[in-house]
Amino acid sequence: AQTVTQSQPEMSVQEAETVTLSCTYDTSESDYYLFWYKQPPSRQMILVIRQEAYKQQNATENRFSVNFQKAAKSFSLKISDSQLGDAAMYFCAYRSGLRKLVFGQGTRLTINP
Amino acid sequence: GAVVSQHPSWVICKSGTSVKIECRSLDFQATTMFWYRQFPKQSLMLMATSNEGSKATYEQGVEKDKFLINHASLTLSTLTVTSAHPEDSSFYICSASLGGAVANEQFFGPGTRLTVL
Repeated sequence: AQTVTQSQPEMSVQEAETVTLSCTYDTSESDYYLFWYKQPPSRQMILVIRQEAYKQQNATENRFSVNFQKAAKSFSLKISDSQLGDAAMYFCAYRSGLRKLVFGQGTRLTINP
Repeated sequence: GAVVSQHPSWVICKSGTSVKIECRSLDFQATTMFWYRQFPKQSLMLMATSNEGSKATYEQGVEKDKFLINHASLTLSTLTVTSAHPEDSSFYICSASLGGAVANEQFFGPGTRLTVL
């Protein structure tokens, strides 16, 4: 079974600084998708970034980028120039084909002004 | 992006009653919808996957007779919590998946907070 592990229950960063959230996963499949979701206090799940496993290039969305290491099964999220609005729970998730999303335990990110 | 709504956003009910939660895809047809449950400070746990016109597939440990899921159309899925008890109090989130080229993206609803007294 696929599993997703986020080893950092909580992280904090100073506003305007850079923070990296860790995620590892376990799978025997070669074709899959990885996601980072943000869940602010409103609890609405928001897709931050996604990565197709067959793509070697790391995905980037404005201040958000990933470091995808397929062999190591690692998928970290880097947030640059952190803003107060980035404060939220961040979930790493895995999905292969059309099947279900498997979520990690989540990392609560606090932004210090 | 695609929009998914849930209704109600918050419901309080008495123990032993049934509660229905609706999940609608507003601007697209969802071939598959998913229902998640999230306890405070925890991750999302998939309860079941529903495909339009067919029976839902439940995850291990989820009581299908207690959590009734109906996906009658490509824009509507419902979750009915039957004979609710206080331990069913939780945050329920649905998501809907597009078919075709973006088949692997799920769009989430805003969630429904269920409190059973």
